[in-house]
Amino acid sequence: SQTIHQWPATLVQPVGSPLSLECTVEGTSNPNLYWYRQAAGRGLQLLFYSVGIGQISSEVPQNLSASRPQDRQFILSSKKLLLSDSGFYLCAWSLQGPGNTIYFGEGSWLTVV
Amino acid sequence: AQSVTQLGSHVSVSEGALVLLRCNYSSSVPPYLFWYVQYPNQGLQLLLKYTSAATLVKGINGFEAEFKKSETSFHLTKPSAHMSDAAEYFCAVSLSGGSYIPTFGRGTSLIVHP
Repeated sequence: SQTIHQWPATLVQPVGSPLSLECTVEGTSNPNLYWYRQAAGRGLQLLFYSVGIGQISSEVPQNLSASRPQDRQFILSSKKLLLSDSGFYLCAWSLQGPGNTIYFGEGSWLTVV
Repeated sequence: AQSVTQLGSHVSVSEGALVLLRCNYSSSVPPYLFWYVQYPNQGLQLLLKYTSAATLVKGINGFEAEFKKSETSFHLTKPSAHMSDAAEYFCAVSLSGGSYIPTFGRGTSLIVHP
């Protein structure tokens, strides 16, 4: 069966520091990979998605970047965090093609202080 | 392009009462529709999805949703609420062609009173 792992679960970082959130998927090949951010009362905001190694689509221009160095690995990064980057970050995956379920990781709480 | 609107950011029901969470969608082509549930501090998990087979879709935990094309709706229901149903619920739509990345609604928080 497929599993998705996301870490760290909780992170407190000072303004201006770098960020790296990692996500790996097991049990499938060539998945679509996603990074979402969730802020209170604002639902899910799609940040990045990837349909293959090295292929990243950015949905919202901002202080963050994403990379997919391996087929089942997805990394969310920032060089310098802002207070507004605080939130709950969710990694997810799905099979390629329309109508497929998106499967979410457990999420990472980021607090920028 | 597609969009989804969830009516009501909060819905409050008594334990044992009917649960009705509303979702309306906009789609230029036949859609795929999903309901997800999120418990506190967790990721989302799939409750059910519509993929153009039966219009009445049954999901986990006693939930079901009915696809009504004429009303562009996909409301989620459960006959009798349980305390454990208290969570955030998200409706999502994706297209059958073109960019099929799902669009999520803003979510509805279900509160269940004893």
